[in-house]
Amino acid sequence: EIVLTQSPGTLVLSPGERATLSCRASQSVFSSYLAWYQQKPGQAPRLLIYGASRRATGIPDRFSGSGSGTVFTLTISRLEPEDCAVYYCQQYVSSPLTFGGGTKVEIK
Amino acid sequence: EVQVVESGGGLVQPGGSLRLSCAASGFTFNTYAMNWVRQAPGKGLEWISSISGSGGGTYYADSVRGRFTISRDNSKNTLYLQMNSLRAEDTAAYYCAKGEYFDSSGYYYLDYWGQGTLVTVSS
Repeated sequence: EIVLTQSPGTLVLSPGERATLSCRASQSVFSSYLAWYQQKPGQAPRLLIYGASRRATGIPDRFSGSGSGTVFTLTISRLEPEDCAVYYCQQYVSSPLTFGGGTKVEIK
Repeated sequence: EVQVVESGGGLVQPGGSLRLSCAASGFTFNTYAMNWVRQAPGKGLEWISSISGSGGGTYYADSVRGRFTISRDNSKNTLYLQMNSLRAEDTAAYYCAKGEYFDSSGYYYLDYWGQGTLVTVSS
């Protein structure tokens, strides 16, 4: 099973600042089969990024993904109040599908 | 517009059973794998089961294998999760999620999620 470790656990930033979220895999995620999801309180997860760097339909371009192998990053270039949420990475190259523990982004 | 809507959650006693349903629309249901993902209160996401488009392939997390059964009725565009021998640790919101193929490899990510249905296992 591929274990995904996300850091930091919580990120507190001001509107307009840059957020950098990390996801490290216990073994290589072949061909960047990695996705990122956003979950706001009381809502279902929403797909943000797939293939490590491809934005899903309708996702603003302030969200970007990068990385390969065992180290991946989600960047929110200019935080907006509505970006307050928990962000999860997930690998889909190996069964079972696994998720990271999440990073909570709070806006000051 | 793609939609997946779960139903069937509720309160059940330990050792009891429950069947969840997920009604899908807006896409060709029988060509996509479907998944169940759960989230215990205040916790993260846990994939628990998936099924191929034809229904011929089913997969389970160790935590539910032997107790839960995933199935689908492609004539009704509906996904199911039969949950038996329920335990307190199965208490969670259960989400239905559509798989979208990334490339020809067969690997897929989860592009559409329902709003979830809450299952509470308690006496």
